[in-house]
Amino acid sequence: DIVMTQSPDSLAVSLGERATIKCKSSQSVLLSTKNKNYLAWYQQKPGQPPKLLIYWASTRESGVPDRFSGSGSGTDFTLTISNLQAEDVALYYCQQYYSTPHTFGQGTKLEIK
Amino acid sequence: QIQLVQSGAEVKKPGASVKVSCKASGSSLSTSYIHWVRQAPGHGLEWLGWINLNSGAITYAQRFEGRVTLTRDASSNTAFMELSRLTSADTAVYFCAKPYSSNSAFFDFWGQGSLVTVSS
Repeated sequence: DIVMTQSPDSLAVSLGERATIKCKSSQSVLLSTKNKNYLAWYQQKPGQPPKLLIYWASTRESGVPDRFSGSGSGTDFTLTISNLQAEDVALYYCQQYYSTPHTFGQGTKLEIK
Repeated sequence: QIQLVQSGAEVKKPGASVKVSCKASGSSLSTSYIHWVRQAPGHGLEWLGWINLNSGAITYAQRFEGRVTLTRDASSNTAFMELSRLTSADTAVYFCAKPYSSNSAFFDFWGQGSLVTVSS
């Protein structure tokens, strides 16, 4: 199984500042024949299902504000939230869909400082 | 717009089984696959497997194989997840989710979740 490890487990960022969340996979999730990284990011608020933010490591889902961006390749990925807003307080998860079982990171809790 | 509507909360005793349903609807159901993911209280997300609503093809996560059974009613676009030999560790919210496409298993639509509580 591919193990996904996020860092940090939690972070507090001031409104208007930038939040950076890392995700590392235990093996590459880059499919070289398609040049695509099989990595997605989700946001989850209490009592709600996860919401898709980013897929293919850097493609923003329709309707997601452009302050959310994803980057990285192979085994190391980053979710960046610029100009942090109060509504961004949530849990964030990365997920690999390169192989089954599809695995998620343990989650990062984002709070306002 | 796709909608996934799940069945309600369940309370089960250890050793029992639970069956959760997920009805899919929408004007353009662009994929026939439904995946199942669970989330134990205070824990992260864990993938259980997928089923194809049309063909009935199934893949299970190995750690659940033998204990989880995915089925479907193609006529009503409904998927079912049954988990047997329940223990307290199975207390979780169970989600169904639609993948973006058949070979792109990130999830753009989710059910609302079904809480399963295992308690004696």
